[in-house]
Amino acid sequence: AQKITQTQPGMFVQEKEAVTLDCTYDTSDPSYGLFWYKQPSSGEMIFLIYQGSYDQQNATEGRYSLNFQKARKSANLVISASQLGDSAMYFCAMREGPLSGGATNKLIFGTGTLLAVQP
Amino acid sequence: DSGVTQTPKHLITATGQRVTLRCSPRSGDLSVYWYQQSLDQGLQFLIQYYNGEERAKGNILERFSAQQFPDLHSELNLSSLELGDSALYFCASSPGTVLLPITDTQYFGPGTRLTVL
Repeated sequence: AQKITQTQPGMFVQEKEAVTLDCTYDTSDPSYGLFWYKQPSSGEMIFLIYQGSYDQQNATEGRYSLNFQKARKSANLVISASQLGDSAMYFCAMREGPLSGGATNKLIFGTGTLLAVQP
Repeated sequence: DSGVTQTPKHLITATGQRVTLRCSPRSGDLSVYWYQQSLDQGLQFLIQYYNGEERAKGNILERFSAQQFPDLHSELNLSSLELGDSALYFCASSPGTVLLPITDTQYFGPGTRLTVL
């Protein structure tokens, strides 16, 4: 079973508008971390934002915010005031806690969402 | 710039050959991770080192090996290369010393694009 699901292969958004990228996750561990990364066409992976399973408030980092709905097991990334430079692939990832066993230090990635910002 | 460096940026080689990918973590980070990104498999965790010792292993083939040196840089060795090994190989690093491991953010290098012909 997929642990991280990103159902939107691609999305378009107009410049200056907000966009939400969906991510759902599956874990039985009460302790986990959720991460979003951006991968521009140049290939590097850029860390954007982190949300911990015990965090009471939704994470925010500048124009990025995370809509964390624990009961629904979703961690959607919201980008406000989109810019042309936001065009990239976006990956949601999860790091499980010790109760999951195995290689607990790894990040489990979704398949990504390709975002295109239109002028 | 994440502070993680990887060399080389591109590598083209033939089947059956052996290559070494190098990674220098961010200053102060003790953990180094290797990931493989391919079109068919997506992003897959290969292996993690912490302060010179292997900490966790993922989907790493027996033909692949890695190590972390006393200065904390790491190398990923890929041998008997096959066409299917063509991929983008990322190194990431994290402090590794946080009290709660789930908060230990991994910062990625620019990657090494390996093409096996």
